[in-house]
Amino acid sequence: GAVVSQHPSWVICKSGTSVKIECRSLDFQATTMFWYRQFPKQSLMLMATSNEGSKATYEQGVEKDKFLINHASLTLSTLTVTSAHPEDSSFYICSAISGQAGEKLFFGSGTQLSVL
Amino acid sequence: GENVEQHPSTLSVQEGDSAVIKCTYSDSASNYFPWYKQELGKRPQLIIDIRSNVGEKKDQRIAVTLNKTAKHFSLHITETQPEDSAVYFCAATDTGRNFVFGPGTRLSVLP
Repeated sequence: GAVVSQHPSWVICKSGTSVKIECRSLDFQATTMFWYRQFPKQSLMLMATSNEGSKATYEQGVEKDKFLINHASLTLSTLTVTSAHPEDSSFYICSAISGQAGEKLFFGSGTQLSVL
Repeated sequence: GENVEQHPSTLSVQEGDSAVIKCTYSDSASNYFPWYKQELGKRPQLIIDIRSNVGEKKDQRIAVTLNKTAKHFSLHITETQPEDSAVYFCAATDTGRNFVFGPGTRLSVLP
């Protein structure tokens, strides 16, 4: 299967600071990547769809100024949580579609964000 | 838009028994149905998938069936083992871009 790398795997930050999470497709090009948020014992909540070379598409209720997404290349998308607050603490996961693998969806390893 | 329901939300089986998880979808245009396994704190892993031109697919102890008329698909795990314990998510998509996930099933395989 295709490999999606996500960094960092965990981060602790102070309230008010910004945190950047990287999502890379290692062995394939991904014109589209997705960012999810997952609360304990719950399903994957789609936050936004990241499109290479254009603006991200945000789901209803997700603040685009709070969760900045940049997809500057075919292998890298970043999610920046700006002015983080404790309620932003969560598990964030990215995913990407690999055309080489038959248009299948593969996930990054996730980032556990804890805001103090 | 698409809506995916999944049942049961939790499932406990004895080691060696079979486990079945069922999902229903609402959009008849959906044509690709993957299943993911997620262990605690880890990424969801694609374990099996099925496209709408096929009714059943099997990979060792895991199988998936699809009923397009009824708009439901199921995951079957035979001879369950403790390492099968995890949360399983089904998903449906029509365009290959918008994947809609079910709420998940927490499977516990008891020794």
